Amino acid sequence: QVQLVQSGAEVKKPGASVKVSCRAAGYTFTRYHMHWVRQAPGQGLEWMGIINPSGGSTSYAQKFQGRLTMTRDTSTSTVYMELSSLRSEDTAVYYCARVIEEDYSGRYYYYMDVWGKGTTVTVSS
Amino acid sequence: DIQMTQSPSSLSASVGDRVTITCRASQSISSYLNWYQQKPGKAPNLLIYAASSLQSGVPSRFSGSGSGTDFTLTISSLQPEDFATYYCQQTYSTPWTFGQGTKVEIK
Repeated sequence: QVQLVQSGAEVKKPGASVKVSCRAAGYTFTRYHMHWVRQAPGQGLEWMGIINPSGGSTSYAQKFQGRLTMTRDTSTSTVYMELSSLRSEDTAVYYCARVIEEDYSGRYYYYMDVWGKGTTVTVSS
Repeated sequence: DIQMTQSPSSLSASVGDRVTITCRASQSISSYLNWYQQKPGKAPNLLIYAASSLQSGVPSRFSGSGSGTDFTLTISSLQPEDFATYYCQQTYSTPWTFGQGTKVEIK
């Protein structure tokens, strides 16, 4: 069935980088954009950015510009999210999510229909 | 960025109650509004997309309405498995933004 399998929990020191993977299974990897969303402990959901697995193009939220890199490997149907210069405020659960684009008479609606289980990243000295 | 504001932030309700959660956008977003349910320790789960379309497999007691800036998620008869946190999300423009969440608790 359709699923997104994320890598395991990470513990990093401030200033380090973390790279989280998300492997897609059960569907054609290059047909759907992938987004990343994070959730700090006890907080709400925060959209980070998007990658198009077909061509590799990306778009990031302004607050992560310069620190965030999303890449993909079509041979393994895997997308990666790398966040650098980590600080304590980056402690969160990081989710990948597949996005459906649906055409309603020429208007395109988007929604996240499948999510990974999340990867906990802890930043602590 | 478009700000999404949910109300209330939390509510207490009993099984069988009708529950309504409101989401307001800081500017018009047409019908580019989704609703998700999240249970503790789990990833969010899509309930409603395009403001009023029910995702496949989601019980029909969930419904969504609204357009422009004001939206509503309604649970017609609250069930034990519905106690969770609910988030709205706009996909009108990037960065896609979420409301702060509404926690539905047992009365």
